[in-house]
Amino acid sequence: DAGITQSPRHKVTETGTPVTLRCHQTENHRYMYWYRQDPGHGLRLIHYSYGVKDTDKGEVSDGYSVSRSKTEDFLLTLESATSSQTSVYFCAIRLDRSMNTEAFFGQGTRLTVV
Amino acid sequence: DAKTTQPPSMDCAEGRAANLPCNHSTISGNEYVYWYRQIHSQGPQYIIHGLKNNETNEMASLIITEDRKSSTLILPHATLRDTAVYYCIVTTGNQFYFGTGTSLTVIP
Repeated sequence: DAGITQSPRHKVTETGTPVTLRCHQTENHRYMYWYRQDPGHGLRLIHYSYGVKDTDKGEVSDGYSVSRSKTEDFLLTLESATSSQTSVYFCAIRLDRSMNTEAFFGQGTRLTVV
Repeated sequence: DAKTTQPPSMDCAEGRAANLPCNHSTISGNEYVYWYRQIHSQGPQYIIHGLKNNETNEMASLIITEDRKSSTLILPHATLRDTAVYYCIVTTGNQFYFGTGTSLTVIP
């Protein structure tokens, strides 16, 4: 699994509560990504980071924030969870942004907002 | 922003070659083509990538047309464990754009 750990693996939360998902890597890769996967949509990019304290938005960033205070950790926060954020969330890491560099994915976090 | 087009599903007999096509007609000159697969709800697994030359590794071969507008992923001897959703991706450097992929079913 390329040294990527996502936690928790499963979570059920109530609408309106804050939720934080964690992605931890042991590879010292510079780039880290958060994707969500929903039926019929493939994987869609939420946010990504290109270094400590350096982050940028992806195509579905509304309602999400991220932080990266250490190279190894990338946190995804839902400030006030909504039912539309029920999804499977995947973290990915990449050594650099060279187009000749593959990304490695974690095993996912299944989040249910009730 | 669909950068790639793939058939939604395909079947392949066990032991035969599986050929998965992908169209990427708007690919830029320096963009790579990547292939990933996802088994059940696991995290996507990297398979192979290439720029313009054909590539081969222990998992698969990638054939890219000369005009780079399409490619084919070849699994030379498909097994039941190759049943998965296969994603063809064009990367713009920072981001990987996933489509909905091709669901490959390997039939005994």
